[in-house]
Amino acid sequence: NAGVTQTPKFQVLKTGQSMTLQCAQDMNHEYMSWYRQDPGMGLRLIHYSVGAGITDQGEVPNGYNVSRSTTEDFPLRLLSAAPSQTSVYFCASSYLGRGSTSISYNSPLHFGNGTRLTVT
Amino acid sequence: RKEVEQDPGPFNVPEGATVAFNCTYSNSASQSFFWYRQDCRKEPKLLMSVYSSGNEDGRFTAQLNRASQYISLLIRDSKLSDSATYLCVVNDFSGGYQKVTFGTGTKLQVIP
Repeated sequence: NAGVTQTPKFQVLKTGQSMTLQCAQDMNHEYMSWYRQDPGMGLRLIHYSVGAGITDQGEVPNGYNVSRSTTEDFPLRLLSAAPSQTSVYFCASSYLGRGSTSISYNSPLHFGNGTRLTVT
Repeated sequence: RKEVEQDPGPFNVPEGATVAFNCTYSNSASQSFFWYRQDCRKEPKLLMSVYSSGNEDGRFTAQLNRASQYISLLIRDSKLSDSATYLCVVNDFSGGYQKVTFGTGTKLQVIP
């Protein structure tokens, strides 16, 4: 099983360049998300999606765009790369947890291998 | 107060030792809890879910204390291969959909 596939694994950009980080999953997961992780820091949510055609901002969305045209794919676009965007980027997916006060679904995230991005 | 808090460590323990990590969360309505393991420069991987009654998987035991709003992870008979960062994850449900919050992680170093 492929699981969550991210490409590329490594990328070096110059300031101002744009690029797209690809993420695909073959588990029919409704929920997909992008995180960045900086050295010595925790994971910070950039954008997420609860299904095709639905996206929303996370904690650190500025400088990034996403779209979700299919269930399988959730690309992350850097519009104009800046050195502050040097980081490791992880894509993650899961079944969509739905909850109320009495019902919850345990749906852990499955992560891709990450993309190590350097902006010079 | 952070939504999910963990002691960053590092915890340096000898092989064979028992070590415990705690994680506190701020939203009393949180419903799903997990422990992940992350090796250096790798993606986080699910270690175990945390159930209300507590659960065990080999040398690992997870507990949930809803009254005090914390979860714990106990590792018995530590191995060198247990050296990693352990992430606490809490799922809330806002607007009907899950909101996933990660702690910043607790680093464990098992020494020979």
